[in-house]
Amino acid sequence: GNSVTQMEGPVTLSEEAFLTINCTYTATGYPSLFWYVQYPGEGLQLLLKATKADDKGSNKGFEATYRKETTSFHLEKGSVQVSDSAVYFCALSDQGGADGLTFGKGTHLIIQP
Amino acid sequence: DSGVTQTPKHLITATGQRVTLRCSPRSGDLSVYWYQQSLDQGLQFLIQYYNGEERAKGNILERFSAQQFPDLHSELNLSSLELGDSALYFCASSRNYRGPGYTFGSGTRLTVV
Repeated sequence: GNSVTQMEGPVTLSEEAFLTINCTYTATGYPSLFWYVQYPGEGLQLLLKATKADDKGSNKGFEATYRKETTSFHLEKGSVQVSDSAVYFCALSDQGGADGLTFGKGTHLIIQP
Repeated sequence: DSGVTQTPKHLITATGQRVTLRCSPRSGDLSVYWYQQSLDQGLQFLIQYYNGEERAKGNILERFSAQQFPDLHSELNLSSLELGDSALYFCASSRNYRGPGYTFGSGTRLTVV
């Protein structure tokens, strides 16, 4: 079956540091890949997505590139802010989302001023 | 406000009881998804409805059931509740049945005592 593996954290960084959150996946076929962010007390918000190999998703300074050869979709940001503190989830779907998303366990990111 | 409304926000009930969680999708969205988020299992897809019909099933227990009504709101019914059912239950909606990038509500926190 499908699965997503990501570092669970917490990951603690100083403001303006470079961020990488690793995500690797196992899936049949050619999945779409997503990063969601969850702020305290809120639901999940779609951060970015990529639907085919070598696609790069980007939003709010975050980027991730769909690497089929390494089955990875690592999240990066060049300079994090305190407001980026949240839980980040990597996810995949192999039916365009029609059968629901498979999520990783989530990575708790803490940015210190 | 994501546009997806879930009620109630918090629910405390005893083991063996039955509860109903309600979700109103974003205006214009025909598809509703239910997810369970717990500490040990992470985020798991439960079930999807599209325009009133069940579309896909994930890891939903037989004690749980859902439906989507003609006005497109959805209800998740949880019966014979156990301590392990304590979790955050999220609803998400999308324009059509092919999902991805769908919008999540802020969740219902269920505590079974």
